[in-house]
Amino acid sequence: DAMVIQNPRYQVTQFGKPVTLSCSQTLNHNVMYWYQQKSSQAPKLLFHYYDKDFNNEADTPDNFQSRRPNTSFCFLDIRSPGLGDAAMYLCATVQGGVSGANVLTFGAGSRLTVL
Amino acid sequence: GQNIDQPTEMTATEGAIVQINCTYQTSGFNGLFWYQQHAGEAPTFLSYNVLDGLEEKGRFSSFLSRSKGYSYLLLKELQMKDSASYLCAVRDSNYQLIWGAGTKLIIKP
Repeated sequence: DAMVIQNPRYQVTQFGKPVTLSCSQTLNHNVMYWYQQKSSQAPKLLFHYYDKDFNNEADTPDNFQSRRPNTSFCFLDIRSPGLGDAAMYLCATVQGGVSGANVLTFGAGSRLTVL
Repeated sequence: GQNIDQPTEMTATEGAIVQINCTYQTSGFNGLFWYQQHAGEAPTFLSYNVLDGLEEKGRFSSFLSRSKGYSYLLLKELQMKDSASYLCAVRDSNYQLIWGAGTKLIIKP
């Protein structure tokens, strides 16, 4: 019944070895977000898609890229992971353009370890 | 700059009541959210306030004062499963969510 699915749940990579994390949703939401969250810290927005429009946060490193081939799928590519990129990566969706709560639905997260 | 402040950690006893405070300074205001996050898991939605006052939902209630830039989450009849981090988030004038770092709530028997 999971509506936002992230894979893999746990990813171990070596310093500098590229990683791709995936997110799929069955909610048909038009907005998808990627957040980075380190222990005991606030989720940090990396980028989001509003429909096909890509919005990169100003302080998101170039090392992080994203693709959204269709409404249901979104990918986070980390081209050369460093030790500082070890974190939980959270995907979230929402139906934008509607007034009211617009509650984000999160996936279970992908925990990245960099050796 | 935009800022959300919450206590880092709180401890309470099973069966008791606890209040978690959140103060914010943001560019505009379009609603405040509380999320619960268990260790190693994703945040799950608890409550939403956009008007001043108290919103009650079972054992959990959330209060908002926009003039004071202040909210609190009230948890009653605490259970061990309530041990988690509680994140306050404010939606600003650009409809972007500004997140607090969360309050880790420890429940003791």
